[in-house]
Amino acid sequence: EADIYQTPRYLVIGTGKKITLECSQTMGHDKMYWYQQDPGMELHLIHYSYGVNSTEKGDLSSESTVSRIRTEHFPLTLESARPSHTSQYLCASSEFGSKETQYFGPGTRLLVL
Amino acid sequence: GDSVTQMEGPVTLSEEAFLTINCTYTATGYPSLFWYVQYPGEGLQLLLKATKADDKGSNKGFEATYRKETTSFHLEKGSVQVSDSAVYFCALYGGTSYGKLTFGQGTILTVHP
Repeated sequence: EADIYQTPRYLVIGTGKKITLECSQTMGHDKMYWYQQDPGMELHLIHYSYGVNSTEKGDLSSESTVSRIRTEHFPLTLESARPSHTSQYLCASSEFGSKETQYFGPGTRLLVL
Repeated sequence: GDSVTQMEGPVTLSEEAFLTINCTYTATGYPSLFWYVQYPGEGLQLLLKATKADDKGSNKGFEATYRKETTSFHLEKGSVQVSDSAVYFCALYGGTSYGKLTFGQGTILTVHP
């Protein structure tokens, strides 16, 4: 059973606010990911990490930033939220050599007013 | 680059009907192939996977066979239930997009009683 957690599950916030979306996993996985899922359902990889102190930008340009100071924790930060950031954000993790079986968190649904 | 194409949705079926969701891919080499399912308000869950040609992945009555000659990984279920209503994503790992999953656009399935 996968154990990957995201908080908050839902967030409504005003334009210009700084927000941090939390993601934690208890499986000891080295690889972690952030996806943005638009209303049309398509998933876009925005950040990934192969381990502590490793972060890379994904396929979709994003104004968010990430950090990986601990193996289990991979927070995503928006310095100044805008309505265009309204979306669902999904965190995932996987183990090296697992043929990329990714385990997903429940997601954070963000609404920026 | 790598790509995954799923059949256009949404798909609407009556309970106990036969389900097929088509998935074809473009990738070099020998990618691993996956089906993920997303229930309303949740993150993605791995449904099944296949890591080499002619492998059949199966889970919860769903099946998909890795067909390298037709570059396909179609999802099937003999008798769907209302509880199968969800969004289904086909994905691949490998090819040129090393280190990342490439997802299809998702197919909405609705099953009526």
